[in-house]
Amino acid sequence: DAMVIQNPRYQVTQFGKPVTLSCSQTLNHNVMYWYQQKSSQAPKLLFHYYDKDFNNEADTPDNFQSRRPNTSFCFLDIRSPGLGDAAMYLCATSRQIGQGTSYEQYFGPGTRLTVT
Amino acid sequence: GQQVMQIPQYQHVQEGEDFTTYCNSSTTLSNIQWYKQRPGGHPVFLIQLVKSGEVKKQKRLTFQFGEAKKNSSLHITATQTTDVGTYFCAEISGGSYIPTFGRGTSLIVHP
Repeated sequence: DAMVIQNPRYQVTQFGKPVTLSCSQTLNHNVMYWYQQKSSQAPKLLFHYYDKDFNNEADTPDNFQSRRPNTSFCFLDIRSPGLGDAAMYLCATSRQIGQGTSYEQYFGPGTRLTVT
Repeated sequence: GQQVMQIPQYQHVQEGEDFTTYCNSSTTLSNIQWYKQRPGGHPVFLIQLVKSGEVKKQKRLTFQFGEAKKNSSLHITATQTTDVGTYFCAEISGGSYIPTFGRGTSLIVHP
């Protein structure tokens, strides 16, 4: 089945130790998103790629970076995790045609990040 | 995009009772999407509403988009324990394709 896969599902890192989360998709969607979701809160968009074009949200900290080496893979790098970065990180994809309308997002299962 | 207001934040119901969650925006929306997130799970797309006054049904779920395209609701008839989860609306404002999620309504169904 076509899907969005995230690895690892659980990640523990130390304060200040860089960490990379990965996302892959078999849907061949051209847009990939990274969200941060804290307990009992809505998913908060960090950034997204429209094809190869990177789009950063204005309030995303510089501590968060992303790479998309090809259509199928996208990575979230947290350069120096702080305690406040502990959260669920969700990857999502959508098949977007043009920019005038929106299409459904397909979410991966998420990576739960713990910072010690 | 401006975050849409979603109420209530939590709703407890007895199994078999109805449930409604509401989303309200101060601006006219292009579209609105609804997602369900089960406890410990990830958001799953339910539906997208595009037209003014649109009403769509999925079994026991009824989705409405207001005439002015500034509000939307999700109504569940005769809730079941499988309906437990958080329901998010996500607004799409004019000229954008990026949904902005509301705070969500957590539905707790008591058997």
